[in-house]
Amino acid sequence: DAGVIQSPRHEVTEMGQEVTLRCKPISGHNSLFWYRQTMMRGLELLIYFNNNVPIDDSGMPEDRFSAKMPNASFSTLKIQPSEPRDSAVYFCASTPRGGTPDEQYFGPGTRLTVT
Amino acid sequence: AQSVTQLDSQVPVFEEAPVELRCNYSSSVSVYLFWYVQYPNQGLQLLLKYLSGSTLVKGINGFEAEFNKSQTSFHLRKPSVHISDTAEYFCAVSDRNAGNMLTFGGGTRLMVKP
Repeated sequence: DAGVIQSPRHEVTEMGQEVTLRCKPISGHNSLFWYRQTMMRGLELLIYFNNNVPIDDSGMPEDRFSAKMPNASFSTLKIQPSEPRDSAVYFCASTPRGGTPDEQYFGPGTRLTVT
Repeated sequence: AQSVTQLDSQVPVFEEAPVELRCNYSSSVSVYLFWYVQYPNQGLQLLLKYLSGSTLVKGINGFEAEFNKSQTSFHLRKPSVHISDTAEYFCAVSDRNAGNMLTFGGGTRLMVKP
């Protein structure tokens, strides 16, 4: 099992540019989570999908952030336009159908730097 | 809504010494409790969990934690740490009735010195 796959692992971009982060959950998992980790705010849940449908997006900071899950094996988190305060590590995690919270498997993260 | 407080942002300790990382939570409902570990430049790994049953739970790498409902705490302990335990540790809580959403504490950086 390849685990949760995230790409790119590192992204450096200039303020104002569009950034797209990608996540491939573990095959057979039907819940997907996007988190953001910063020194100031720790680990925050941004959005949560179940069966490709967004269930809770209350953690999405503002309209510049959007997330999609067009199918069970792919999700994107887009920031447009990006700002320096968006610099963080973004994690994707997935859980299997009927799983409990301890079965949330994390990807390696994407380190985003906005200059 | 739940919240998790990790009282220590950093804990320096010498190798082979015991360590306790503190975690307190607040919630109006029954919860599941977890500890995750994050090694440098890696994602989070589950260390141990409390779902039900015995309040003393054992995890990987010799760690254990005790759920104390009256004190709303879930402190993590290890009797003798190794250099390889140097990492960031996160306490997390999940509402038993709210799917698989996790609320994380701010993290504690454990620094084991030789």
